[in-house]
Amino acid sequence: DQQVKQNSPSLSVQEGRISILNCDYTNSMFDYFLWYKKYPAEGPTFLISISSIKDKNEDGRFTVFLNKSAKHLSLHIVPSQPGDSAVYFCAASGGGSARQLTFGSGTQLTVLP
Amino acid sequence: GAVVSQHPSWVICKSGTSVKIECRSLDFQATTMFWYRQFPKQSLMLMATSNEGSKATYEQGVEKDKFLINHASLTLSTLTVTSAHPEDSSFYICSARDDRTSGRAEETQYFGPGTRLLVL
Repeated sequence: DQQVKQNSPSLSVQEGRISILNCDYTNSMFDYFLWYKKYPAEGPTFLISISSIKDKNEDGRFTVFLNKSAKHLSLHIVPSQPGDSAVYFCAASGGGSARQLTFGSGTQLTVLP
Repeated sequence: GAVVSQHPSWVICKSGTSVKIECRSLDFQATTMFWYRQFPKQSLMLMATSNEGSKATYEQGVEKDKFLINHASLTLSTLTVTSAHPEDSSFYICSARDDRTSGRAEETQYFGPGTRLLVL
């Protein structure tokens, strides 16, 4: 049973437009959420995070929104750039001292020039 | 900084053999490392948490005797897939938590590039 789901395996967006990547979760014990970016042949790298006490966190072109009641979060990238093309993973943690991460299956973002 | 390497990057082996995968933190010390497994188009699944100097903690459903983890130093953890079978073919990825940082534990986990294992 996947506790973190990314239902869109791929997304294509025109350069300069907004990219919106979505993530849903089922475990109400999750209290911290993260987005990772992964290029081919490299490991995922941390991008942005949000605590469950907030509903929005912004860092430059990247904004993460959290809707706790819907158990949904999204990552907005604006404006999108070709260098943003990568696989984006949503992850969540909570409930344990080790702060282990539970990942979604990823969304391949392609930004077209 | 915060670079994690894995070796080998890919390996092909015959069924029944054992394969060792190394995970190294190159420029920081990591008391805690994690091993994940990823099947095609699926999420990274945590297999075990590796702690330097003590036994690894395995997730439910992961066979300890099948996937041996050794974390003998603060910069190296190894995963040995014993008596590998075709169903063990997968992408194995490690991460290391930087001991230096005082930030959130989740955000100071750095990932290696992964090892692709193919068992024939």
